[in-house]
Amino acid sequence: KQEVTQIPAALSVPEGENLVLNCSFTDSAIYNLQWFRQDPGKGLTSLLLIQSSQREQTSGRLNASLDKSSGRSTLYIAASQPGDSATYLCAVTGQAGTALIFGKGTTLSVSS
Amino acid sequence: GAVVSQHPSWVICKSGTSVKIECRSLDFQATTMFWYRQFPKQSLMLMATSNEGSKATYEQGVEKDKFLINHASLTLSTLTVTSAHPEDSSFYICSARESGRANNEQFFGPGTRLTVL
Repeated sequence: KQEVTQIPAALSVPEGENLVLNCSFTDSAIYNLQWFRQDPGKGLTSLLLIQSSQREQTSGRLNASLDKSSGRSTLYIAASQPGDSATYLCAVTGQAGTALIFGKGTTLSVSS
Repeated sequence: GAVVSQHPSWVICKSGTSVKIECRSLDFQATTMFWYRQFPKQSLMLMATSNEGSKATYEQGVEKDKFLINHASLTLSTLTVTSAHPEDSSFYICSARESGRANNEQFFGPGTRLTVL
């Protein structure tokens, strides 16, 4: 059974820092991996999707990498801002058309 | 594009009543929709997979007679919490997968906060 783990559970940084969020999964046979952002009491905003054949994806200050063989992904946030404060969720799918399996998330707080 | 809506965004009801939550894909067709539940400070847990025109597939431990799912069209799935009790209070989120999209990207609704008194 696939399990997704995110480390750290919480992170506090001053504005401007570059930071890395980690995600690991137990079964490397994934179809794709997605990173989401969730603000308190809100739904999910998709940040990046990485197909199993890809190594990384970039969007603005965000860069996500995937090492499928080792079961790891990282989300790199450059020059963090207070508006980046949220919970970041990592999720994987095993096959096309199947549901996402989520980690518990990393709650990020960026202070000004 | 790829917008998913949910209605209502929040609901408060008395114990024993039934609550219906709608999930709509606004600008695409979704053969498959998923229903998740999120308890406070927990991650999303899959409840069921909803396929248009067929019966939903429920995850282990989710009572199909309590959480009724109907996916009658390519843009609408509904989740009905029957005889709701306080322990059903949670954040319910749906997602939709666009038919024919190869990368399996899923788009999430804004969620519905259910509080059962």
